[in-house]
Amino acid sequence: DTAVSQTPKYLVTQMGNDKSIKCEQNLGHDTMYWYKQDSKKFLKIMFSYNNKELIINETVPNRFSPKSPDKAHLNLHINSLELGDSAVYFCASSQYSSEAFFGQGTRLTVV
Amino acid sequence: KNEVEQSPQNLTAQEGEFITINCSYSVGISALHWLQQHPGGGIVSLFMLSSGKKKHGRLIATINIQEKHSSLHITASHPRDSAVYICAGNSGGSNYKLTFGKGTLLTVNP
Repeated sequence: DTAVSQTPKYLVTQMGNDKSIKCEQNLGHDTMYWYKQDSKKFLKIMFSYNNKELIINETVPNRFSPKSPDKAHLNLHINSLELGDSAVYFCASSQYSSEAFFGQGTRLTVV
Repeated sequence: KNEVEQSPQNLTAQEGEFITINCSYSVGISALHWLQQHPGGGIVSLFMLSSGKKKHGRLIATINIQEKHSSLHITASHPRDSAVYICAGNSGGSNYKLTFGKGTLLTVNP
């Protein structure tokens, strides 16, 4: 039973399109995150939510909009996709600042 | 300058060798995570520690708060340990985020 699941695993799309990545956790955690891993494999925080409330928005373009319908879900919607958005996006959850559990990642390729 | 610095960037070892990966972090980080990422991409949390030492199987993590330094050790390394090991710090409190090091690519040859 997967603790943090995100879909899809792979996403190939054309520039200018709008796409969403979904994330769900069944751990009962209050905090969820989106991280981006670039082509050099460096991970960086994008957003964190605590109990459906946005806590951190780390200078991410407005084209990226997280949505948390409830504390078990944190979806990422991206408008007007650009080539530079190609990366692996990881969802994660934790109970406040404790150990984090990661989803399997979504490899986004913008062509 | 990244708040979390890791070394080495790349490490190649022979099966059975003792491995050490180092991580230094800046003021304001109250807990250190060690993560493992295999080829194929999934990230697994190995340890979270804010003081002392933790052990799980062949893996040992230590942290020295005064020196702001943590190490991950692998005893009796095995080819299946080949992965990227990432240290990440969090500031605790209401600052819900991890700041990552750039990772160490470990290759263990048979």
